[in-house]
Parts: sequence; structure tokens; C-alpha cells
Amino acid sequence: QKEVEQNSGPLSVPEGAIASLNCTYSDRVSQSFFWYRQYSGKSPELIMSIYSNGDKEDGRFTAQLNKASQYVSLLIRDSQPSDSATYLCADSGGYQKVTFGTGTKLQVIP
Amino acid sequence: DAGVIQSPRHEVTEMGQEVTLRCKPISGHDYLFWYRQTMMRGLELLIYFNNNVPIDDSGMPEDRFSAKMPNASFSTLKIQPSEPRDSAVYFCASSPGGSAEQFFGPGTRLTVL
Repeated sequence: QKEVEQNSGPLSVPEGAIASLNCTYSDRVSQSFFWYRQYSGKSPELIMSIYSNGDKEDGRFTAQLNKASQYVSLLIRDSQPSDSATYLCADSGGYQKVTFGTGTKLQVIP
Repeated sequence: DAGVIQSPRHEVTEMGQEVTLRCKPISGHDYLFWYRQTMMRGLELLIYFNNNVPIDDSGMPEDRFSAKMPNASFSTLKIQPSEPRDSAVYFCASSPGGSAEQFFGPGTRLTVL
């Protein structure tokens, strides 16, 4: 049974700080990793995809992947109150089926 | 382009009634997924289709649940008979072939009284 583990939080950070969200996965053959943002009462929205070891940056977001440690993280720089949401980590073992974590709730305090 | 479309957005029904949820995927996407989300269990995959063919229905909780995809632009998820424990938000998502990136619809909030 594939598992994606996340701390449920809430993770509270002050406005302007760096928020660090972490995720571990159990399936060693997983090849694709995703971060989704879900605002309360809304649907998940894809914000980052990462496929190879290292860092991938997109604006204020940086995804980090370490396949040896089976670890994925998402850094949000200059956190804003509008970043307050639940962040879902997901992985895919090379197929279309994706396994989601239960999400980490982020609160950015003004 | 329009995203994934789901209807209805909210459904309130009584135990024992039949419920049908509808989904229109993004045009050109080969894969369609049905998920259920609750506070207790998070986001659960129920079933997914590739080119209108069901590929994996291992997440369908029991025989009361069924899903169809009669053509590339329409899918239904049916619950008959419905029970209070089916109350959840049901999401439909679609994905293009060659990528596991999924795009979600707005969801249907189902309440079974």
C-alpha cells in the first residue's frame, strides 16, 4: 500500500517568513511528485510538479526532491496571508494514478 | 478554455434515495478520476477511466456506488441507495495522456440526511 505522509499542522508562520512544508513517500518507484493547494471549501489546485532530484523554483515557490531519502518539500518565500490553505503532497509511480497525502494546513499570520 | 465542470454543486437528499453526480472533463484529456474527500479520510480515489474505459475501481466503497463514462466528455457517479456515511465532497479530475498532473473540478458537496 503506497503511502504519502504529511504533518497535518497547522503550521503557523508570520507574514514575510519562509514556510517549509514536508512530505515523505513509501514507494521507491515513484517518479513524479506534485504539490496542490486547497483553500477552504474549494478544490485542489496544482501549483508545482517535480520529477528529478534537486530544486525547482517557480516564483515564490520552491519544490525540493530527494529520492534517496524519499522526501519532498515545498518552500514558500515571503509568505502572504493569501497563502493560508491546506497543501497536499502527491506522488505517481509512473502511471496516471496519484496517491495524495492528507495535507498540511498552513496559516500565515499578518 | 473551460476547466472541469461538475454538477450539481450541492446535493441534499434523504437516506435511501438515488444520487447522480455529473462531470465534464477538460476537452482532450484522456483520463478522468472520481475522488471523495472527508475530514476523516482525506482525498480518496474511487475510480478512474482512460479513454472512457474504467481502469481501476478498487476504491469504490461498495456495490452501492457505480460510475460510467459513455463518451469522452461526460461521466457520472451514482450512489443507490444513499446512506448518511456517503456525505462528503466528491471531486472529478481530468488529466492529459503522458502526464500525471490532474485538474480538479469544483466538487459536489453531498449531504445525505
